[in-house]
Parts: sequence; C-alpha cells; structure tokens
Amino acid sequence: AQKITQTQPGMFVQEKEAVTLDCTYDTSDPSYGLFWYKQPSSGEMIFLIYQGSYDQQNATEGRYSLNFQKARKSANLVISASQLGDSAMYFCAMREANTGNQFYFGTGTSLTVIP
Amino acid sequence: GAGVSQSPSNKVTEKGKDVELRCDPISGHTALYWYRQSLGQGLEFLIYFQGNSAPDKSGLPSDRFSAERTGGSVSTLTIQRTQQEDSAVYLCASSQDHSYNEQFFGPGTRLTVL
Repeated sequence: AQKITQTQPGMFVQEKEAVTLDCTYDTSDPSYGLFWYKQPSSGEMIFLIYQGSYDQQNATEGRYSLNFQKARKSANLVISASQLGDSAMYFCAMREANTGNQFYFGTGTSLTVIP
Repeated sequence: GAGVSQSPSNKVTEKGKDVELRCDPISGHTALYWYRQSLGQGLEFLIYFQGNSAPDKSGLPSDRFSAERTGGSVSTLTIQRTQQEDSAVYLCASSQDHSYNEQFFGPGTRLTVL
C-alpha cells in the first residue's frame, strides 16, 4: 500500500482564491509527522508546513494551513489568497517514529495559479 | 548563509560508466539524506547519515549504489555501471539533527544515462 497518496495530478486556481490540495496517508505507527513541500520549476524543494500526529491544532504558516483529520488519515494543504508565485509542484510527505529515518513522499500535485 | 549545494548540476553519461554525485550540506547539520526523483514522480528515499552513526542504506535500489560521508560533512553518492533507469534527479537534503523536522534541500543533480 502507498504510504502517501495524492490523487490530484493537476489543479488550477484563480489568483486570490483559496485552494485545497489533498493528501491521505497510511500508517499504523501512532507517532508520525506530516510535511508539505513546494517544488517550483527551478527544482528546489521548499519546506512549507509540518503537523505532528499528537498536535491538537491544525498547523498554520502564513497563507498555508494543514487540515489534519486524523481519523480519516488525511492532511490536506490549504493555500489561501493564491498568488502567481504559488504555481509549482506540491508534495505531501510523512515520517514515522518507527522508521524515523525515512521520509515517504507522494507523487505530487501540480498547481497552476491563473491570473 | 550558504544552503545545501550539489555538484554537478547536470551529468550525462554513457550506460555502464560510473558516476559520482556530491553534496555539501549546511554547515553544522548532522543529518544528511539522499533522494531520487524520477520524471513526474515523488521522491524516493535512498540513504540517510546521522552524525557518526552507521548510515541507513535501506533505500538503495541495488548494490550498484553506494554513498559515503567524510568527516560528517560532504557526502558522495556513487552509481556504478549506470543503467538508463538510473536517469533521474538526485536530491540531497540536510537538517540540524535527526529529530529536527525541517529538511533543507539542495538544487539536485540531473543524471542522464544514454
């Protein structure tokens, strides 16, 4: 089974609108961390936001927020007030406490912001 | 301050040749990761170094792949007898220590095996 599933290969959003990028995960480890990264066309991976499995509140970082639904094993990324510079690939990732060295990445979602 | 650097940025080689990819992590970062990203795919974990501990090699796809980290800093990923399926972008990341959540990624090395 895939550890991380991103079902949206491509998404479009109007500038200044909000967009949600889906991510579901699979783990039996009670302790884990969830991450979102942005990869612009330049290729570098940029860390956006982190959510720990025991965190009571959804993580937020500026315009980024993580909609963490533990029972559903989903960790969707919400980008508010989209900007043209948000156009990029977005990857969801997970690290489990039991296999703490490995980061498992999804296949990514390509986001295009339309002016 | 300098980020993670990788060299070369691009490497084209012939099938069967050996290649070496280099990663310079951020100074002071004890944890170092290598990943492979094939076209249109997510990142595939390859190997992890943490300080002076034995590396976690569980992600290396075959014995043609090896990596070392000298002096707890620079790391070299070596691919022997390259195959066309080795063509990918190889990304290196470092973080302050194993428990620190944020990884800082380098720009990657694009490897093309003809």
